[in-house]
Amino acid sequence: DAGITQSPRHKVTETGTPVTLRCHQTENHRYMYWYRQDPGHGLRLIHYSYGVKDTDKGEVSDGYSVSRSKTEDFLLTLESATSSQTSVYFCAISDLDPLVGEQFFGPGTRLTVL
Amino acid sequence: GDSVTQMEGPVTLSEEAFLTINCTYTATGYPSLFWYVQYPGEGLQLLLKATKADDKGSNKGFEATYRKETTSFHLEKGSVQVSDSAVYFCALRGGSGGSNYKLTFGKGTLLTVNP
Repeated sequence: DAGITQSPRHKVTETGTPVTLRCHQTENHRYMYWYRQDPGHGLRLIHYSYGVKDTDKGEVSDGYSVSRSKTEDFLLTLESATSSQTSVYFCAISDLDPLVGEQFFGPGTRLTVL
Repeated sequence: GDSVTQMEGPVTLSEEAFLTINCTYTATGYPSLFWYVQYPGEGLQLLLKATKADDKGSNKGFEATYRKETTSFHLEKGSVQVSDSAVYFCALRGGSGGSNYKLTFGKGTLLTVNP
C-alpha cells in the first residue's frame, strides 16, 4: 500500500468552527489532491497541488483552502465549517509522470458538521 | 468539460453470476480511463486502466475495453464472488476539460453479491 495517512480519521465539529485535515505521504510523490465523496456525486476534486507551495482549485473549492509547505504534507482547511461540508474527504497522491502515474488514495476522513 | 456517466445502482447478483457495469464518457482528445473499487470503510483502489483506444485493462478477473467509437469503458467479470461486493467508480484523466493529472469520476455503482 502507498504510504498515505490522513488525520483525523473522524471528526465532529460545529457550524462556524475552523477545521484542518491533514494528509501525509511517505512516497515523495509530487502531486497531491483533496477530494470529497458524497452520495450520488462520486468523488469531486476540491484542490490539488503540483509541488511545494504550488496549488490550484478543483471543481468544488468554495469554502476550502489548502497549503503545502513540505512535499509530504497537504493540509485542507475549512475556515468556517458549514453543514454542507459534512462529507468523507480523501487525499490522493500521484508520481512524477501524470500521463501514466495512477492516483493512490488515503483511507479517508469522515467529517460531520453539526 | 469532461464527464463520466455510469449505470445507476445498486446492482445485486448471486455468486458466480456475470457482471457488467456500464460506463460512458464525454471528453475530447485522448483521455485515459480507469476503474476504481472501494470496499466498505476503505479508500479507493485502482482496479484497472486503459490509456488508449482498444486497450483492454484487466485485473482480478475484471476486464474493460477502451472503445473510442462508442466512448465507453464497461466493466465485466465472468463470475463474481461475495468478496467483490463494493462500490465501483469509473473515471477518466486528461481530455479537454482539465489537466492531465486530474481525475473526473462517475457517481459510483454499488455491487452486492449474495452467496
